[in-house]
Amino acid sequence: QVQLQESGPGLVKPSETLSLTCTVSGGSITSNYWSWIRQPPGKGLEWIGYIYYSGTTNYNPSLKSRLTMSVDTSKNQFSLKLSSVTAADTAVYYCANIRVGEASLFDYWGQGTLVTVSS
Amino acid sequence: DIVMTQSPDSLAVSLGERATINCKSSQSVLYSPNNKNYLAWYQQKPGQPPKLLIYWASFRESGVPDRFSGSGSGTDFTLTISSLQAADVAVYYCQQFYTTPWTFGQGTKVEFK
Repeated sequence: QVQLQESGPGLVKPSETLSLTCTVSGGSITSNYWSWIRQPPGKGLEWIGYIYYSGTTNYNPSLKSRLTMSVDTSKNQFSLKLSSVTAADTAVYYCANIRVGEASLFDYWGQGTLVTVSS
Repeated sequence: DIVMTQSPDSLAVSLGERATINCKSSQSVLYSPNNKNYLAWYQQKPGQPPKLLIYWASFRESGVPDRFSGSGSGTDFTLTISSLQAADVAVYYCQQFYTTPWTFGQGTKVEFK
């Protein structure tokens, strides 16, 4: 069974870049599409974007201008960088895999990591 | 973007009673060539990531109890818990995967009455 684990700083200053990594175990990163989803405290879910191991990406237009995703197949990891952050980017960030096939479903999720944007 | 709107925002149900959650999309998520609704339901318990319950609007994910069922087509969908159990207290989200950006409803909190 695939397992995912997010890692990265829990506190980021306003205007700086938020960087997170998701480590995949129990499966190869070359076998699926991989996604990031976030959830502000006490609020709902927002899809951030996805990446394929080849580097193909699809970003939420609301974040596209600030967003970069990448994959490191040698480490079985994928990453997220969100620039020029504000307090509105404070959220629990989840990484998830997307099921292979016709339905783009979030199959397995990491436990999530809280990132707070504050000076 | 397709806007997903759930109702109600919260729901208090007695143990063993039925819980019904509605989800409406701002445009149809029915793909005519395969006659499938690109709609999923997730359950999220406190401190945990969401868990997939239902996809294609009515297909139950493996391992999900059969008291959970989904219905609807086009723009109007329903998640029903036929007999609420203690383990079902959670927030439930609908999500469309018809087109990106994939979007979620705001969530419905199910509690005990």
